[in-house]
Amino acid sequence: AQSVTQLGSHVSVSEGALVLLRCNYSSSVPPYLFWYVQYPNQGLQLLLKYTSAATLVKGINGFEAEFKKSETSFHLTKPSAHMRDAAEYFCAVSAYTGTASKLTFGTGTRLQVTL
Amino acid sequence: DTAVSQTPKYLVTQMGNDKSIKCEQNLGHDTMYWYKQDSKKFLKIMFSYNNKELIINETVPNRFSPKSPDKAHLNLHINSLELGDSAVYFCASSQLQLAGVSYEQYFGPGTRLTVT
Repeated sequence: AQSVTQLGSHVSVSEGALVLLRCNYSSSVPPYLFWYVQYPNQGLQLLLKYTSAATLVKGINGFEAEFKKSETSFHLTKPSAHMRDAAEYFCAVSAYTGTASKLTFGTGTRLQVTL
Repeated sequence: DTAVSQTPKYLVTQMGNDKSIKCEQNLGHDTMYWYKQDSKKFLKIMFSYNNKELIINETVPNRFSPKSPDKAHLNLHINSLELGDSAVYFCASSQLQLAGVSYEQYFGPGTRLTVT
């Protein structure tokens, strides 16, 4: 079984401030981890993914995430927030369970960026 | 050059009706999915197909029937629509998922279904 917990359903930061969105996972097999972003009335866009290579993963739009096995975490960060980063962010874990790979999403974190 | 497309984008219908949502991907992927996003933005997988073969069916009511005429298309037919079916439905695709490997999924723009 696998699951994802995103701490904080709503995060607000000032423009230019550090963005930190938290994600903890649970998986019975080595996980693949993903961060997706959803802008209003749009589909999900992949930000970055962890596939057991480097633990620090760089994605699009200046985002990065660090895989920490000891903490079962995969937090998303960005050094300086921009207004266009305001969106819903989803952490997801995927694991092959013998018949298929299933993507399990967290409940999402809405990022608000203020002036 | 749309990668994953869905039609229609919006669907408003009455309880008891039957409706279909269509999905097409031009990425050459072998695996396709349907997800449901509820009013609280929670995303849950409904079905997954590998090369037209159903591989995931997540305890979805029988009123929902996916159909994959070929590996580039995955349609979702819903019978006897209920108020609780109101949601945004997303189609997605990925490379063939193999043992020990999970590829990223590419999502369509979604279909907002409203049942009145």
